[in-house]
Amino acid sequence: EPEVTQTPSHQVTQMGQEVILRCVPISNHLYFYWYRQILGQKVEFLVSFYNNEISEKSEIFDDQFSVERPDGSNFTLKIRSTKLEDSAMYFCASSQTGTANYGYTFGSGTRLTVV
Amino acid sequence: AQSVAQPEDQVNVAEGNPLTVKCTYSVSGNPYLFWYVQYPNRGLQFLLKYITGDNLVKGSYGFEAEFNKSQTSFHLKKPSALVSDSALYFCAVRQTDSWGKFQFGAGTQVVVTP
Repeated sequence: EPEVTQTPSHQVTQMGQEVILRCVPISNHLYFYWYRQILGQKVEFLVSFYNNEISEKSEIFDDQFSVERPDGSNFTLKIRSTKLEDSAMYFCASSQTGTANYGYTFGSGTRLTVV
Repeated sequence: AQSVAQPEDQVNVAEGNPLTVKCTYSVSGNPYLFWYVQYPNRGLQFLLKYITGDNLVKGSYGFEAEFNKSQTSFHLKKPSALVSDSALYFCAVRQTDSWGKFQFGAGTQVVVTP
């Protein structure tokens, strides 16, 4: 069964450093998403991406965050200057369509720890 | 605004007993409801969804969920729980007025004891 692949599985970074979280969505999917889950809290939407541009973003997704699909297969989330409160599990997801009756396929997540 | 609520932080059940994980929702229009499961150190795995049609939806691993419009509920059920069902379960509603983003519940930890 096709999978969404995320790397690395765990990243530790110092506060103020830039991090890039990488995702390889399922090859024929067109819609891409990032979610995050702070430890013990609910999964929160960050951003959706379609046709090489952001289609929607949450209030969490401020100027410190950016997404990119650099080469047609990878989908990255960059945090420019990490803060302690960015520590969370970050999930990438992809979907064949953007319609509401479709589910996503989620990756296994990257646990980001900011120290 | 659309939202889902999972009233129980944790559900404890003995192996072989029925398992129910509760979810209620608040949406405008037709609800698109989903259940996902998260095993330790794993991603979110799709279990089942309700879009339209029969109120009883069958999904993966023997799980099913019943959509109840009058009670605005979408409870997840399994007739006979296994120890391997111990995981974190999320109810979610997918919004129809945006690019399909999910609104997740807070999650319910299921602990199945031998």
